[in-house]
Amino acid sequence: GDSVTQTEGQVALSEEDFLTIHCNYSASGYPALFWYVQYPGEGPQFLFRASRDKEKGSSRGFEATYDKGTTSFHLRKASVQESDSAVYYCALGVSNSGTYQRFGTGTKLQVVP
Amino acid sequence: EAAVTQSPRNKVAVTGGKVTLSCNQTNNHNNMYWYRQDTGHGLRLIHYSYGAGSTEKGDIPDGYKASRPSQENFSLILELATPSQTSVYFCASGDASRGRNSDYTFGSGTRLLVI
Repeated sequence: GDSVTQTEGQVALSEEDFLTIHCNYSASGYPALFWYVQYPGEGPQFLFRASRDKEKGSSRGFEATYDKGTTSFHLRKASVQESDSAVYYCALGVSNSGTYQRFGTGTKLQVVP
Repeated sequence: EAAVTQSPRNKVAVTGGKVTLSCNQTNNHNNMYWYRQDTGHGLRLIHYSYGAGSTEKGDIPDGYKASRPSQENFSLILELATPSQTSVYFCASGDASRGRNSDYTFGSGTRLLVI
């Protein structure tokens, strides 16, 4: 079935480092792809989406480009801050027998000052 | 402000007991979802609904029932709770008119411990 894979369970960076969190998907056609961020004690919050090849989504300095060739939607940020410490989820919008999202296993980002 | 509100925030239940988790949304969204969050598994879909009176099975529905009595309310029911259902549960709503492009608004979660 349709799925997303996040390879990094945890990432530790220093402030101003460059961030990459990898997300690869498996699905037919052109599924919608999403990034969510979750802060401690809260539910996930929508960050941005993309729904066609080469489309770039972005928000709050984060960005990702939909790449059908490599089936990827990697999250990047040029310079992370301590306030970016959170769990990041990649998700895939499924529209088969139902309409819902499947989420990756999440990546915990810790940024130290 | 539109929102998704879950209750209770924390719940301790005994094995074999019945547990009901409640969710209310003021987004006027047709679609609502229940996920559970576990380390190493991320968010997994339990049940979802397209509107009042409808419920659909997600990826891990066994041991759970759902009820959607109105546009605003969506409940998750554990008829016979087991320790394996100890988890954090999230409710979400989504705009059906956006189809698969709809982003979700999540509640703050219910932390359930089954002893």
